Amino acid sequence: EDKVVQSPLSLVVHEGDTVTLNCSYEVTNFRSLLWYKQEKKAPTFLFMLTSSGIEKKSGRLSSILDKKELFSILNITATQTGDSAVYLCAVEGTIGNQFYFGTGTSLTVIP
Amino acid sequence: EAGVAQSPRYKIIEKRQSVAFWCNPISGHATLYWYQQILGQGPKLLIQFQNNGVVDDSQLPKDRFSAERLKGVDSTLKIQPAKLEDSAVYLCASSLVGEGITFGQGTRLTVV
Repeated sequence: EDKVVQSPLSLVVHEGDTVTLNCSYEVTNFRSLLWYKQEKKAPTFLFMLTSSGIEKKSGRLSSILDKKELFSILNITATQTGDSAVYLCAVEGTIGNQFYFGTGTSLTVIP
Repeated sequence: EAGVAQSPRYKIIEKRQSVAFWCNPISGHATLYWYQQILGQGPKLLIQFQNNGVVDDSQLPKDRFSAERLKGVDSTLKIQPAKLEDSAVYLCASSLVGEGITFGQGTRLTVV
């Protein structure tokens, strides 16, 4: 059964801390892995990863994929209160354009 | 580029009533998804359309939920009759192969 597992489930940090969110997957016919940020209702796109070892970076956020060990990490440096959100990991399969979502990591950044 | 449009944004109904949600995907996106997201959980796929055909509806509670995408563009999701446990955010999304998935703003349904 295809599945995506995220850890930790929740995290509380202070502003300025660095956090690492984890996503492991077991999906046959892998096409890509995506990270989303969900603050209120709609998840918003952060990164799409298709190749191992190539870091994607956007400001204080970065992500990398390991296709051999079947996991990805999302790093956030110098966290701010605006980073408080649920971070979702999803894996896209090659058959039928299907996406498999993890349960998300709830990040709370306190001033 | 216009995003995925959904309506309504919020809905409160009593149990056993019916409700319908509407979604218009990004132009040109052949694949349309309806997800249910209960508080504290990840999105759960209810149904996936490719054009106007159903690709996957294995987790759709077909005794009360129905969805259609008659012309391969916009879609409606209906719940009849609603139960308390249907309270959730209903997310519509669309995609092109290899370009990730884009979500609408969602509809927050509260069943009382």
